[in-house]
Amino acid sequence: AQKVTQAQTEISVVEKEDVTLDCVYETRDTTYYLFWYKQPPSGELVFLIRRNSFDEQNEISGRYSWNFQKSTSSFNFTITASQVVDSAVYFCALSSGNTPLVFGKGTRLSVIA
Amino acid sequence: DGGITQSPKYLFRKEGQNVTLSCEQNLNHDAMYWYRQDPGQGLRLIYYSQIVNDFQKGDIAEGYSVSREKKESFPLTVTSAQKNPTAFYLCASSSRASLNTDTQYFGPGTRLTVL
Repeated sequence: AQKVTQAQTEISVVEKEDVTLDCVYETRDTTYYLFWYKQPPSGELVFLIRRNSFDEQNEISGRYSWNFQKSTSSFNFTITASQVVDSAVYFCALSSGNTPLVFGKGTRLSVIA
Repeated sequence: DGGITQSPKYLFRKEGQNVTLSCEQNLNHDAMYWYRQDPGQGLRLIYYSQIVNDFQKGDIAEGYSVSREKKESFPLTVTSAQKNPTAFYLCASSSRASLNTDTQYFGPGTRLTVL
């Protein structure tokens, strides 16, 4: 069965600090997809990134970067120079086989000015 | 603008009443989904539909029903059989019927409160 674990329930950082959100996944499939979503206080989930299991290259998008390591079944998300607008709940999700997305329980990030 | 709309944003219901949550998309997506989110929890899948006139139960379908008569619409009915319906409900869609390859895009959600 697929499973996603986000061990950090809540994180608080001061503005301009870097912060890493952890995501560990479990699946027996060799082909799978990993996602990160952001949920700001408004409630809507905003898609951030999708990565397939055959592409282990790290990705950078502005202040956001993602580190995918199959050896440790992790797909961690780093925000560099955090800003107050980054305050949100962040979800990691996994899809594999013929099953829909499985979400982690989310990490609430608070960035303090 | 293309996107997913959900209405209403806030919904109040008395115990014992059925209520229907609306979800419409104009993205021409094949697949649509309903999730439930409780405080401090991740999203749990209620129902999904990969094609018109067909839908599948998710992890927590008991007490809910859906229909998919049109490609762009996927309404969710919360029935009186749902024991604890107070939650935040999110609708999503993805472009193809394949469940595990395409990105899901979400609507703004409906917050349901049972009085």
